[in-house]
Amino acid sequence: DVKVTQSSRYLVKRTGEKVFLECVQDMDHENMFWYRQDPGLGLRLIYFSYDVKMKEKGDIPEGYSVSREKKERFSLILESASTNQTSMYLCASSSDRRGTDTQYFGPGTRLTVL
Amino acid sequence: AQSVTQPDIHITVSEGASLELRCNYSYGATPYLFWYVQSPGQGLQLLLKYFSGDTLVQGIKGFEAEFKRSQSSFNLRKPSVHWSDAAEYFCAVGLNTGGFKTIFGAGTRLFVKA
Repeated sequence: DVKVTQSSRYLVKRTGEKVFLECVQDMDHENMFWYRQDPGLGLRLIYFSYDVKMKEKGDIPEGYSVSREKKERFSLILESASTNQTSMYLCASSSDRRGTDTQYFGPGTRLTVL
Repeated sequence: AQSVTQPDIHITVSEGASLELRCNYSYGATPYLFWYVQSPGQGLQLLLKYFSGDTLVQGIKGFEAEFKRSQSSFNLRKPSVHWSDAAEYFCAVGLNTGGFKTIFGAGTRLFVKA
């Protein structure tokens, strides 16, 4: 069974803080993704990575950065948190670049920025 | 631009009744199509996917979906809903644009009444 874990289920931060969200997958997947989920907007892709030290911008990368130093770990960084980054953040992984990939999701981190 | 539309924000059905959740997509080529389910407090889980072959696809938990190219639709169905099916359902389109990317619909929340 693929397992994707996220470091926190709930997080409360203050405006201007630097925030790290960690994601780890245990199935040696090549691809990892960070999404944010907001009511009425579904999931929107922030960043993704096809390989170690490789990253590509998704649809809404502004205000975020990522790091992938090891294959199993993909970190999302909010350089200076703002209230409009209050959201649910979902990490996912998948096995290869073919279009038939199933994505496996972590349970999510609900981030509140005060 | 590619998009996925789920016209119903929420649906309420009685336990034991049939269910159909609608999904329409906009994409020039043959898409890869997915339905995911998100139970409260959980990440997303794949219900079923379509990428070629038989246009009627069977998934887990008794769900099925039918791809209709002429209508650009991929509606999800279940003949008899159980209370445990109450969740949010996301339709998604996989795009092979040099790297695989998934676009999610806004989701449909299903309520089940006794």
